[in-house]
Amino acid sequence: EAGVTQFPSHSVIEKGQTVTLRCDPISGHDNLYWYRRVMGKEIKFLLHFVKESKQDESGMPNNRFLAERTGGTYSTLKVQPAELEDSGVYFCASSQAVNSGNTIYFGEGSWLTVV
Amino acid sequence: GQQVMQIPQYQHVQEGEDFTTYCNSSTTLSNIQWYKQRPGGHPVFLIQLVKSGEVKKQKRLTFQFGEAKKNSSLHITATQTTDVGTYFCAGRKRNTGNQFYFGTGTSLTVIP
Repeated sequence: EAGVTQFPSHSVIEKGQTVTLRCDPISGHDNLYWYRRVMGKEIKFLLHFVKESKQDESGMPNNRFLAERTGGTYSTLKVQPAELEDSGVYFCASSQAVNSGNTIYFGEGSWLTVV
Repeated sequence: GQQVMQIPQYQHVQEGEDFTTYCNSSTTLSNIQWYKQRPGGHPVFLIQLVKSGEVKKQKRLTFQFGEAKKNSSLHITATQTTDVGTYFCAGRKRNTGNQFYFGTGTSLTVIP
């Protein structure tokens, strides 16, 4: 079974440019999460999809970030325009169901560097 | 602000020594998960604790959830070089949706 896959694995862009990160969750997982880890800091929650609906987007830092999950399958996270402080690793994770017994599977992460 | 505190931030041990990392929350957690991230890798789920006072073991790893469900610990007995990595706890708070709040992680270095 394929795990959570993310693309690109690494991206270097200039300040002001746009970057779109993609996440393919494990097949059949309704729940999809985006997290971000800035260097030396904790992993921070960004948002949570249940199928195509945004269940919780309280962690999105500002309106330069836009996440979508059309059709309830893969998800994209767009940063426009990118700022220096957006650098970090963006993790996508998925789970089958949200209850006390469910494992969350993380992707390898998309490492973003804004210069 | 930081929702879940984790200490220590770094730990260097000689191979064969024990290691413990602690996770604390100011509010009661509904459950807590532990993850391990190897250098350059992604977090890998280790275990989830749900019940007050719960203790679970995985070979040399022992996980505990406090009676008040506000703290947790991960203890590794007789560390090996394969234990190197960053260990994260992630707690889910009651009535705050489904997001997990991650600790800052403890980076473990094992000196052979």
